[in-house]
Amino acid sequence: DIQMTQSPSSLSASVGDRVTITCRASENIANSLNWYLQKPGKAPKLLIFGASSLQSGVPSRFTGSGSGTDFTLTINSLQPEDFATYYCQQTFSTPRTFGQGTKVDIK
Amino acid sequence: QVQLVQSGPEVKKPGSSVTVSCKASGDILTGYTINWVRQAPGQGLEWMGRIIPVFGTTDYAQKFQGRVTFSADASTSTVSMRLSSLRSEDTAIYFCARGPYPTSVVRYDFWGQGTLVTVSS
Repeated sequence: DIQMTQSPSSLSASVGDRVTITCRASENIANSLNWYLQKPGKAPKLLIFGASSLQSGVPSRFTGSGSGTDFTLTINSLQPEDFATYYCQQTFSTPRTFGQGTKVDIK
Repeated sequence: QVQLVQSGPEVKKPGSSVTVSCKASGDILTGYTINWVRQAPGQGLEWMGRIIPVFGTTDYAQKFQGRVTFSADASTSTVSMRLSSLRSEDTAIYFCARGPYPTSVVRYDFWGQGTLVTVSS
């Protein structure tokens, strides 16, 4: 199975900050990488697919980049509704493994 | 508006089975996969597998092989997940999630609300 490792596991930030979360795959996954946001008690929400494509309806302050084994999710100008847990997921092969999550909370 | 509505919470004894359903609004099963993802309390997301409803084709994560079965009923736009030989470690929220098919860019764009399954003696 492909292992996905996110860093950091958690971070504290303020509204307006720029936040960067990284995701590393244990092997080359090309651009088969998605990012999701999850709030407590809710289902995950797709933000980015194919490493860098913005899902319809998602604000443009979310950007994804990377290919191969190293990927980044950047949130420009963090908003109150962005405090949540973020997960990466590889879709290169099955099982479609997720990272362990990065919790973004209020500083 | 696409909606995936899952069945209600379940409490089960160890060794028993549980079935969770996922009903899609409208005919959204054609051209899509339905995936099952679970989340143990306070933990991350775990992919269990997928079904292509129009073909009935399934793909299970090795971890669940032999214990899980996905099925689809096109007449009711409902996909079901049955997990057997339950143990306490299966206590989790189970989500269904839709993905386009066929596609070169796998993604899950709509999710059910989740179903809590509690396994306890």
